[in-house]
Amino acid sequence: GQNIDQPTEMTATEGAIVQINCTYQTSGFNGLFWYQQHAGEAPTFLSYNVLDGLEEKGRFSSFLSRSKGYSYLLLKELQMKDSASYLCAVRDLTAGNKLTFGGGTRVLVKP
Amino acid sequence: DVKVTQSSRYLVKRTGEKVFLECVQDMDHENMFWYRQDPGLGLRLIYFSYDVKMKEKGDIPEGYSVSREKKERFSLILESASTNQTSMYLCASSTSTGELFFGEGSRLTVL
Repeated sequence: GQNIDQPTEMTATEGAIVQINCTYQTSGFNGLFWYQQHAGEAPTFLSYNVLDGLEEKGRFSSFLSRSKGYSYLLLKELQMKDSASYLCAVRDLTAGNKLTFGGGTRVLVKP
Repeated sequence: DVKVTQSSRYLVKRTGEKVFLECVQDMDHENMFWYRQDPGLGLRLIYFSYDVKMKEKGDIPEGYSVSREKKERFSLILESASTNQTSMYLCASSTSTGELFFGEGSRLTVL
């Protein structure tokens, strides 16, 4: 099975930086995804990491260390619209390549 | 743009009723998934399908069944709805890399 952990909630100020950590345990790691979900809406894809290192996409970056079973999502220059839940998901080769999600981290951006 | 369409945004059913949740995708994706999302529990996989007429159990298949008669359509069936099946149900389809595209969700209330 898999175990994916991320903090439940984080609060940050507009214009600041927030880092959301995700740790996982899986027997057949085959990629890690980050999704954003605004309240009442469907999750939308943010990033994908399968090799170690940093992937940057505008104000959002995602980092992966496979040896540590660790990823983070970095949100820079926070805007009010970034208030949402952020979901970490891991793909497992030994489980038919399906995605398993963490519980999500709710980020609240304050003025 | 990929579009995943779920037939109903909101449903209210009574205990014991049969419930059909329909999902259609227009990007010719092989893979389709049904998740439920509950506060504090995150997204949990119910069933998935990698091809027409093919289905695999996810992490919480009890009380559910699915049907994939055509590539673009994946239906979730609750044979006899119970109150503990009150939830948000999310359908998704995916590319070969595993990136999921979600529908808007169907919020089911079982009284």
